[in-house]
Amino acid sequence: DSGVTQTPKHLITATGQRVTLRCSPRSGDLSVYWYQQSLDQGLQFLIQYYNGEERAKGNILERFSAQQFPDLHSELNLSSLELGDSALYFCASSQGGQNTEAFFGQGTRLTVV
Amino acid sequence: AQKVTQAQTEISVVEKEDVTLDCVYETRDTTYYLFWYKQPPSGELVFLIRRNSFDEQNEISGRYSWNFQKSTSSFNFTITASQVVDSAVYFCALSTGNQFYFGTGTSLTVIP
Repeated sequence: DSGVTQTPKHLITATGQRVTLRCSPRSGDLSVYWYQQSLDQGLQFLIQYYNGEERAKGNILERFSAQQFPDLHSELNLSSLELGDSALYFCASSQGGQNTEAFFGQGTRLTVV
Repeated sequence: AQKVTQAQTEISVVEKEDVTLDCVYETRDTTYYLFWYKQPPSGELVFLIRRNSFDEQNEISGRYSWNFQKSTSSFNFTITASQVVDSAVYFCALSTGNQFYFGTGTSLTVIP
Protein backbone atom coordinates (compact mmCIF):
# COMPACT_ATOMS: atom_id res chain seq x y z
CA ASP A 1 0.00 0.00 0.00
CA SER A 2 1.59 3.26 -1.21
CA GLY A 3 -0.51 5.47 1.04
CA VAL A 4 -2.03 7.29 -1.94
CA THR A 5 -5.78 6.81 -2.23
CA GLN A 6 -7.73 7.24 -5.43
CA THR A 7 -11.47 7.09 -5.83
CA PRO A 8 -13.36 5.70 -7.56
CA LYS A 9 -11.48 2.60 -8.74
CA HIS A 10 -13.68 2.20 -11.77
CA LEU A 11 -15.90 4.63 -13.63
CA ILE A 12 -18.08 4.05 -16.67
CA THR A 13 -19.69 7.05 -18.29
CA ALA A 14 -21.09 8.20 -21.62
CA THR A 15 -19.53 10.47 -24.19
CA GLY A 16 -20.10 14.14 -23.51
CA GLN A 17 -20.32 13.68 -19.77
CA ARG A 18 -18.15 15.14 -17.01
CA VAL A 19 -16.43 13.19 -14.24
CA THR A 20 -14.30 13.98 -11.23
CA LEU A 21 -11.48 11.79 -10.02
CA ARG A 22 -10.23 12.20 -6.50
CA CYS A 23 -6.83 11.68 -4.94
CA SER A 24 -5.63 11.78 -1.35
CA PRO A 25 -1.83 11.98 -1.13
CA ARG A 26 0.37 10.28 1.43
CA SER A 27 0.48 12.00 4.76
CA GLY A 28 3.08 14.77 4.63
CA ASP A 29 3.39 14.88 0.86
CA LEU A 30 2.89 18.32 -0.66
CA SER A 31 3.06 17.42 -4.33
CA VAL A 32 0.35 15.68 -6.29
CA TYR A 33 0.73 14.51 -9.87
CA TRP A 34 -1.79 13.20 -12.36
CA TYR A 35 -0.93 10.75 -15.12
CA GLN A 36 -2.93 9.11 -17.88
CA GLN A 37 -2.09 5.62 -19.06
CA SER A 38 -3.63 4.41 -22.29
CA LEU A 39 -2.69 1.69 -24.74
CA ASP A 40 -1.87 4.05 -27.58
CA GLN A 41 -0.27 6.93 -25.65
CA GLY A 42 1.47 5.06 -22.89
CA LEU A 43 2.02 6.79 -19.56
CA GLN A 44 1.63 10.54 -19.91
CA PHE A 45 2.23 13.20 -17.32
CA LEU A 46 -0.76 15.55 -17.08
CA ILE A 47 -0.23 18.05 -14.30
CA GLN A 48 1.45 18.65 -10.96
CA TYR A 49 0.36 20.64 -7.93
CA TYR A 50 2.54 21.64 -5.04
CA ASN A 51 0.95 22.84 -1.82
CA GLY A 52 -2.15 24.06 -3.62
CA GLU A 53 -0.49 25.71 -6.59
CA GLU A 54 -0.04 24.43 -10.10
CA ARG A 55 3.63 23.62 -10.56
CA ALA A 56 3.93 21.93 -13.93
CA LYS A 57 1.79 21.04 -16.90
CA GLY A 58 2.27 18.16 -19.26
CA ASN A 59 0.03 16.83 -21.99
CA ILE A 60 -3.22 17.87 -20.40
CA LEU A 61 -6.16 18.65 -22.68
CA GLU A 62 -8.13 21.87 -22.28
CA ARG A 63 -11.19 19.75 -21.45
CA PHE A 64 -9.34 18.53 -18.37
CA SER A 65 -8.62 20.54 -15.25
CA ALA A 66 -7.33 19.85 -11.80
CA GLN A 67 -6.97 21.48 -8.46
CA GLN A 68 -5.40 20.82 -5.09
CA PHE A 69 -7.32 21.82 -2.00
CA PRO A 70 -6.04 23.23 1.32
CA ASP A 71 -6.11 19.76 2.85
CA LEU A 72 -3.84 18.71 -0.06
CA HIS A 73 -6.25 16.30 -1.69
CA SER A 74 -6.63 16.79 -5.41
CA GLU A 75 -9.33 16.38 -8.01
CA LEU A 76 -9.02 15.85 -11.73
CA ASN A 77 -12.03 17.00 -13.71
CA LEU A 78 -12.61 15.56 -17.16
CA SER A 79 -15.35 17.11 -19.26
CA SER A 80 -16.94 16.62 -22.68
CA LEU A 81 -15.65 13.09 -22.52
CA GLU A 82 -14.71 11.26 -25.69
CA LEU A 83 -14.14 7.58 -26.33
CA GLY A 84 -10.42 8.26 -26.53
CA ASP A 85 -10.37 9.47 -22.94
CA SER A 86 -10.84 5.91 -21.76
CA ALA A 87 -7.71 5.17 -19.79
CA LEU A 88 -6.21 4.46 -16.41
CA TYR A 89 -5.67 7.69 -14.50
CA PHE A 90 -3.01 7.64 -11.82
CA CYS A 91 -2.39 10.04 -9.04
CA ALA A 92 1.01 10.16 -7.36
CA SER A 93 2.38 12.15 -4.47
CA SER A 94 5.79 13.14 -3.23
CA GLN A 95 7.29 15.33 -0.57
CA GLY A 96 8.87 17.73 -3.02
CA GLY A 97 9.10 18.29 -6.74
CA GLN A 98 9.40 16.10 -9.78
CA ASN A 99 12.84 14.91 -8.81
CA THR A 100 11.74 13.27 -5.61
CA GLU A 101 10.46 9.77 -5.19
CA ALA A 102 6.79 9.62 -6.11
CA PHE A 103 4.30 7.10 -4.76
CA PHE A 104 1.42 6.09 -6.98
CA GLY A 105 -2.16 5.28 -6.18
CA GLN A 106 -3.92 2.25 -7.64
CA GLY A 107 -5.48 4.31 -10.38
CA THR A 108 -8.99 5.02 -11.61
CA ARG A 109 -10.06 3.03 -14.64
CA LEU A 110 -12.26 5.31 -16.76
CA THR A 111 -14.32 3.81 -19.53
CA VAL A 112 -16.20 6.13 -21.84
CA VAL A 113 -18.96 4.45 -23.83
CA ALA B 1 13.64 17.41 -26.72
CA GLN B 2 13.38 14.99 -23.87
CA LYS B 3 12.72 11.36 -24.61
CA VAL B 4 12.98 7.94 -23.04
CA THR B 5 13.30 4.87 -25.23
CA GLN B 6 12.72 1.33 -24.07
CA ALA B 7 13.32 -0.62 -27.23
CA GLN B 8 12.40 -4.00 -25.73
CA THR B 9 8.64 -4.26 -25.81
CA GLU B 10 8.38 -7.76 -24.39
CA ILE B 11 10.90 -10.13 -22.85
CA SER B 12 10.39 -13.70 -21.69
CA VAL B 13 12.90 -15.54 -19.56
CA VAL B 14 12.91 -18.79 -17.68
CA GLU B 15 13.00 -18.54 -13.92
CA LYS B 16 16.51 -18.08 -12.45
CA GLU B 17 17.85 -16.53 -15.62
CA ASP B 18 19.32 -13.03 -15.49
CA VAL B 19 17.64 -10.36 -17.57
CA THR B 20 18.59 -6.81 -18.50
CA LEU B 21 16.05 -4.15 -19.41
CA ASP B 22 17.41 -1.35 -21.54
CA CYS B 23 16.67 2.34 -21.19
CA VAL B 24 18.09 5.10 -23.36
CA TYR B 25 17.25 8.72 -22.69
CA GLU B 26 17.65 12.03 -24.46
CA THR B 27 17.97 15.41 -22.82
CA ARG B 28 20.01 18.56 -23.21
CA ASP B 29 19.70 19.40 -19.54
CA THR B 30 22.77 18.84 -17.42
CA THR B 31 20.72 18.20 -14.31
CA TYR B 32 18.14 15.47 -14.52
CA TYR B 33 16.86 12.42 -12.69
CA LEU B 34 16.22 8.91 -13.91
CA PHE B 35 13.76 6.47 -12.43
CA TRP B 36 12.60 2.91 -12.78
CA TYR B 37 9.08 1.87 -11.87
CA LYS B 38 7.46 -1.55 -11.83
CA GLN B 39 3.84 -2.12 -12.78
CA PRO B 40 2.72 -5.61 -11.74
CA PRO B 41 -0.48 -7.17 -13.10
CA SER B 42 -2.43 -5.59 -10.25
CA GLY B 43 -1.84 -2.23 -11.96
CA GLU B 44 -0.19 0.04 -9.41
CA LEU B 45 3.17 1.65 -10.14
CA VAL B 46 5.92 0.80 -7.69
CA PHE B 47 9.00 2.98 -7.34
CA LEU B 48 12.27 1.07 -7.70
CA ILE B 49 15.09 3.58 -7.97
CA ARG B 50 15.99 7.22 -8.57
CA ARG B 51 19.37 8.40 -9.83
CA ASN B 52 20.55 11.94 -10.47
CA SER B 53 22.69 12.94 -13.42
CA PHE B 54 25.76 13.60 -11.30
CA ASP B 55 25.88 10.18 -9.73
CA GLU B 56 27.10 7.52 -12.13
CA GLN B 57 27.73 4.92 -9.47
CA ASN B 58 26.05 1.65 -10.20
CA GLU B 59 23.64 0.46 -7.59
CA ILE B 60 22.70 -2.96 -6.34
CA SER B 61 19.67 -3.79 -4.26
CA GLY B 62 19.25 -7.48 -3.65
CA ARG B 63 18.65 -9.14 -7.02
CA TYR B 64 18.27 -5.76 -8.74
CA SER B 65 21.09 -3.69 -10.15
CA TRP B 66 21.26 -0.55 -12.23
CA ASN B 67 23.96 0.59 -14.65
CA PHE B 68 23.96 4.32 -15.39
CA GLN B 69 26.26 5.46 -18.21
CA LYS B 70 26.10 9.11 -19.23
CA SER B 71 28.44 8.49 -22.15
CA THR B 72 25.80 6.34 -23.83
CA SER B 73 22.76 8.02 -22.18
CA SER B 74 21.66 4.70 -20.79
CA PHE B 75 20.22 3.57 -17.50
CA ASN B 76 19.85 -0.19 -17.71
CA PHE B 77 18.22 -2.43 -15.15
CA THR B 78 19.29 -6.01 -14.46
CA ILE B 79 17.39 -8.61 -12.51
CA THR B 80 19.56 -11.49 -11.36
CA ALA B 81 18.10 -14.96 -10.84
CA SER B 82 14.66 -13.87 -12.01
CA GLN B 83 11.55 -15.07 -10.22
CA VAL B 84 7.94 -15.41 -11.32
CA VAL B 85 7.03 -12.47 -9.08
CA ASP B 86 9.25 -10.28 -11.25
CA SER B 87 6.72 -10.59 -14.07
CA ALA B 88 5.51 -7.05 -14.68
CA VAL B 89 5.84 -4.06 -16.94
CA TYR B 90 8.89 -1.99 -16.13
CA PHE B 91 9.05 1.70 -16.93
CA CYS B 92 12.07 3.91 -17.18
CA ALA B 93 11.45 7.62 -16.66
CA LEU B 94 13.29 10.92 -16.96
CA SER B 95 12.66 14.05 -14.94
CA THR B 96 14.01 17.41 -15.96
CA GLY B 97 12.90 20.47 -14.05
CA ASN B 98 9.15 20.31 -13.94
CA GLN B 99 8.51 17.68 -16.57
CA PHE B 100 8.39 13.93 -16.30
CA TYR B 101 8.76 11.54 -19.25
CA PHE B 102 8.08 7.82 -19.21
CA GLY B 103 9.29 5.23 -21.67
CA THR B 104 6.78 2.91 -23.27
CA GLY B 105 7.64 0.12 -20.88
CA THR B 106 9.06 -3.38 -21.16
CA SER B 107 6.79 -6.27 -20.35
CA LEU B 108 8.74 -8.98 -18.59
CA THR B 109 7.39 -12.50 -18.28
CA VAL B 110 9.25 -14.96 -16.10
CA ILE B 111 8.32 -18.52 -16.95
CA PRO B 112 8.45 -21.05 -14.11
